[in-house]
Amino acid sequence: DIQMTQSPSSLSASIGDRVTITCRASQGISNYLAWFQQKPGKAPKSLIFDASSLQSGVPSKFSGNGSGTDFTLTISSLQPEDFATYYCQQYNGYPITFGQGTRLEIK
Amino acid sequence: EVHLVESGGDLVQPGRSLRLSCKTSGFIFGDYAMSWFRQAPGKGLEWVGLIRSKGYGGASEIAASVKGRFSISRDDSKSIAYLQMNSLKSEDTAVYYCARDILTGYYRVDFWGQGTLVTVSS
Repeated sequence: DIQMTQSPSSLSASIGDRVTITCRASQGISNYLAWFQQKPGKAPKSLIFDASSLQSGVPSKFSGNGSGTDFTLTISSLQPEDFATYYCQQYNGYPITFGQGTRLEIK
Repeated sequence: EVHLVESGGDLVQPGRSLRLSCKTSGFIFGDYAMSWFRQAPGKGLEWVGLIRSKGYGGASEIAASVKGRFSISRDDSKSIAYLQMNSLKSEDTAVYYCARDILTGYYRVDFWGQGTLVTVSS
């Protein structure tokens, strides 16, 4: 199975900050990497697919980068609604696997 | 507008069975693969399985952790995907989400349902 490792596990930031979350795959997955946002008690929401393509309706403050084994999610100009848990997911093969999540909290 | 609504979650005893439904609307259900995921209380997301559209053979993929106990099916005439869960264990306690998959090279999720809670306990 492909292991996905996110860092950091948690992150404190202030309104207006720019933050970056990293995701590393245990083997190359080309660009078959997605990012999801999840708020407490809610379903995940798709943000980015194919490592850097923005899901329809997602604001451009979210951006993804990377290929192979190393990927990043950057969120610029943090607003209150951005504080949530973020997951990366590889869909290069089965089983589909997720990172453990990064909890983004208000400082 | 795409909608996915899960139902069927309940409190069940270990060893019993449960079938979850994912009722969809807003798109041509038969053209899409559908996936199931779960999230145990306070834990991360886990993939459960996927069923392809009939146009791509209709076969399913199931996670090793539930293989032999869980199965996925679909009824294109009703636009519903199902997750049949047999021989339930306490570790199957989770919120179960269905999701729509879009095929662009590999299957990827674009829309999620709101989830349904399954509690396995005596």
